[in-house]
Parts: sequence; structure tokens; C-alpha cells
Amino acid sequence: SYVLTQPPSVSVAPGKTARITCEGNNIGSKSVHWSQQKPGQAPLLVIYYDRERPSGIPGRFSGSHSGNTATLTISRVEAGDEADYYCQVWDISSDPYYVFGTGTKVTVL
Amino acid sequence: QLQLQESGPGLVKPSETLSLTCNVSGGYMYTSSYYWGWIRQPPGKGLEWIGSIYYSGSTYYNPSLQSRVTISVDTSKNQFSLTLNSVTAADTAVYFCASLGGSGWPPIDNWGQGTLVTVSS
Repeated sequence: SYVLTQPPSVSVAPGKTARITCEGNNIGSKSVHWSQQKPGQAPLLVIYYDRERPSGIPGRFSGSHSGNTATLTISRVEAGDEADYYCQVWDISSDPYYVFGTGTKVTVL
Repeated sequence: QLQLQESGPGLVKPSETLSLTCNVSGGYMYTSSYYWGWIRQPPGKGLEWIGSIYYSGSTYYNPSLQSRVTISVDTSKNQFSLTLNSVTAADTAVYFCASLGGSGWPPIDNWGQGTLVTVSS
């Protein structure tokens, strides 16, 4: 089965840049999506198809990927960005199914 | 904007069957290129994909759960359902229903609020 590995935690000061990585075999060939989840809430899509932002998501959120790593970048971090973040892809190597990354807790210092 | 709402028992006994329904409003389920899916999250842990059903009726399941899972659609009621057989304590989780829309292999773009299901005697 396809595995997406994220760092368990990332800490960042307000106003700085947070980068969350997502490692998977040849992930650069897949469409990567990212979601944010705050405590007690359902996740919220923040980046889809690698670098697209849904309406209402600030431009401070951006995505990129190449080779075996995808990255979610949050610029000018705010206290409200503190949350868990999950990368996602579809694994279509056999019957298609959706894969979540292990998740990263972003802490704003 | 689609809205999704899960419903079903919050407590299931071990070895029995977990059944949940997701009611969809704000749009018609039988929409081209949409998937309808279930995801769960054990307390304090990450998200796990359970499976999905495509608008055409094709189903796709997590290989680790495939032998116990069925997802079905009732388009007349604009609902889709999850059944999970032979549950154990490890199936205790918040269960979310969701929609995935878009071309190719789309993201989860709408979520239900989630419902906690506890497996206990």
C-alpha cells in the first residue's frame, strides 16, 4: 500500500514561514491535496491539485511537489494557523483508493 | 455548497455491525464525476480512508477494511450509507462522510461534521 510520511510536528513563530513536507514514492507524479484540521472540527481543504487554493483560503497557503516530496508552505504564519495538516493522494496502482498522510501538528510559538 | 450530515448509533457492541447514513443537501448526489466517501479518525489519531462510491455506482475500498465494508447509495433519498461488519474496539472513531468533486482524482471538498461511534459491550 502507498504510504505518505509527514513530520509529526512543526513549530513556527508568528510572521515566519512554516513548511510541512509529505514524502511518498514518486509523489511528484500524483495530484496532491492538503487539508487543515482544528480540534473538534472536520478537516478543511486548503490546497488541491498540488497548488490550487479553494475560495476563502488566503494566499499565504501554497503547495509544491517534486520527486518524492510534496510541501505545504504557510507564509506569515498567524495564531489561527495552528492545526493539524494532512496531505492526501489517490493511489491508483491497483483499485483506486485515497491515502492520507500521517499528519503534522503545526504549533505557533 | 453541498452540506453533509452523518446519522446513526453512537454505540455498537463488539462483533456487531456498524451502520451510518449520510444525508446530502444543497445538491443532487447523482452528479457527474462526484465521489461520495467515508473517513474515520480514532480518538487522538490521524485520518483513515474507509472507502468511496462513484456517481456511476463503482465502489473503492481501503484494502485493509475491504472484507468488512460496504458503501451504498440511495439516490431517491439523496443519501449514502456505510456498513462495517464484525466491529471491535479498534473501530471506535469519529466517522466522517464526505464528497469528492473534480476532474481526474479529486480532493475531499466537503465534509460532514462527524459522528463518534464507540464499540463497547
